[in-house]
Amino acid sequence: GEDVEQSLFLSVREGDSSVINCTYTDSSSTYLYWYKQEPGAGLQLLTYIFSNMDMKQDQRLTVLLNKKDKHLSLRIADTQTGDSAIYFCAESKEGTYKYIFGTGTRLKVLA
Amino acid sequence: NAGVTQTPKFQVLKTGQSMTLQCAQDMNHNSMYWYRQDPGMGLRLIYYSASEGTTDKGEVPNGYNVSRLNKREFSLRLESAAPSQTSVYFCASSPTGTEKLFFGSGTQLSVL
Repeated sequence: GEDVEQSLFLSVREGDSSVINCTYTDSSSTYLYWYKQEPGAGLQLLTYIFSNMDMKQDQRLTVLLNKKDKHLSLRIADTQTGDSAIYFCAESKEGTYKYIFGTGTRLKVLA
Repeated sequence: NAGVTQTPKFQVLKTGQSMTLQCAQDMNHNSMYWYRQDPGMGLRLIYYSASEGTTDKGEVPNGYNVSRLNKREFSLRLESAAPSQTSVYFCASSPTGTEKLFFGSGTQLSVL
């Protein structure tokens, strides 16, 4: 069945780049997303990419998609303490009303 | 803009009690969703409503019922709460069911 996998933890120093990785199994996904969840809050959409794109850049965020390997990554440049949160990868397929979420990667930024 | 509003934010129930979680969105979205979030398990879909007047089961519907009251509101009911339903519940909406989801701030539910 469909599955989305992420590593559980990542720790980086303030000012460094963070790279959060995700693998998915459904090659027919239409959209792939990155969500951020801060403590006690809901998920907030950070960025998303269409499945026919390889890369998307939005300010400090860069999303890379490798369709052959079914691998999605989120790079955060100049990581700040405010970036400490849980990051969820998710996929959806047009017409199915179904979103599959990964288990989330907890990013800790050290000052 | 309020976005997606959930009430209550916190709730403690005894086993066997019932309650309804409320959700409303003011973005004129067609699709609405209920998820539960448990440690190490990501988000799991309980029920969704593709459009007003329709509801469908998700991955973990047992023990829950839903009502799409109108386009704005989608409620989740626990008829007889069990400790296994202790979780954080999120309501979400999207314009069409394929595009990005907008989430509420969650309801933390404990069943003793």
